[in-house]
Formats: sequence, C-alpha cells, structure tokens
Amino acid sequence: GDSVTQKQGQVTLSEDDFLFINCTYSTTTYPTLFWYVQYPGQGPQLLLKVTTANNKGISRGFEATYDKGTTSFHLQKASVQESDSAVYFCALTGGYKVVFGSGTRLLVSP
Amino acid sequence: DAGVTQTPRHEVAEKGQTIILKCEPVSGHNDLFWYRQTKIQGLELLSYFRSKSLMEDGGAFKDRFKAEMLNSSFSTLKIQPTEPKDSAVYLCASRPGVSYAEQFFGPGTRLTVL
Repeated sequence: GDSVTQKQGQVTLSEDDFLFINCTYSTTTYPTLFWYVQYPGQGPQLLLKVTTANNKGISRGFEATYDKGTTSFHLQKASVQESDSAVYFCALTGGYKVVFGSGTRLLVSP
Repeated sequence: DAGVTQTPRHEVAEKGQTIILKCEPVSGHNDLFWYRQTKIQGLELLSYFRSKSLMEDGGAFKDRFKAEMLNSSFSTLKIQPTEPKDSAVYLCASRPGVSYAEQFFGPGTRLTVL
C-alpha cells in the first residue's frame, strides 16, 4: 500500500533561518501530495497541495515541490518566523485514503 | 461556512466506561474520517465514510470502537469499554466527495481515561 516517511521529528531554528522539511513516499498511483500544519489545540489544516500536474505549490511564504524521480516532496520557507512554530505533516492520497507522515515539530526562537 | 465541529473538546472517563464523541462535518461534504492522534503513533485512521456508507473501519480498532453516521451532517464515535491506552486526541475530518481534495479537520476531542 501507499506509505509516507517523514524522518525529521523536530527542527529547531531561529527567526529568519531557512526551513527545509523532506518526505519520501511510495505509491503505485498518481498521487496528490499535501502539507498540513497543526497548531496547538487545533486540528491539522491544509498548507499546500501539489499534484502531478503542477509539481509545485506556494502559500503564505511556504513552497512545496515534488520530485517523481526520487519519490520525494519537500516543504521550504526562505525565512521562518516565531509564528511558524507548529507541527508539519506531509500526506499523500492516491484515491480515497490519505496516508500521513509522522510529523515534524518546528520550533522557531526569536 | 462553518468548519468541522467536534464535541466535547475534553473528556475524562474511568476505565470501562462508554464514551461517545460527536462530529458535525462541513455542510455538503460527502466524506468523513475519524482519526486517533498520539505522539507515538501519529495519526491513525479509525473509520472512513463516503455518503454515509462505512468504507473502512480501521481494522485493529474494530473491537471497541464504533463509528456511525446517523445522517449526512452528524457522526458519532463510540468507545466501549474505554481503556487507559485510549487516551489520545480524536480528530474528525470531512472532505468533498472528490478523492484528491483536501481534508478539513475539527479541533479534536482530548480523551483521558483513568
């Protein structure tokens, strides 16, 4: 079945640092890939969606791209702010079911 | 549009009790999901409904967990009997009836079983 691997459990940065979070995936379908962000006390919310058609998504200063050749997709931001501190999940769907990565906790210090 | 609503936000139960968690999806969404979230296991799918029909019941969670969709705008998750290992955040999510669409999550119910 489909799977997603998100190895970075926690990333600690200072404000204005560059952020890069990577996920790898395995699927036999043409997947749609997602990045969700979860703030304390809330459910995850969509940050970005990337399809095989567009390869890239941009929202709120974040950029997500995917590489079919290496079956990886990553999230990056040029300059993080303290308010970006949250948990970031990558996810994949090849049909009805959504498979989530284990999440990366981002801590940004001022 | 209102988002996904979950009640209660917090629940404390004694071991062996029956608890019922409630979810109201986004109006017009055909897909509804229940997840359990823990730090160790992450997000685990408990149940998935499409147009009120149960499509997946989460395998390992079948024996004590039962999700129902009473109508298109209301779902419940019953845990009977509760055990301390059930302590977690339970998330409900809905999605338009298009498989590649995003999911909309509720704020979750934090369950503590003593």
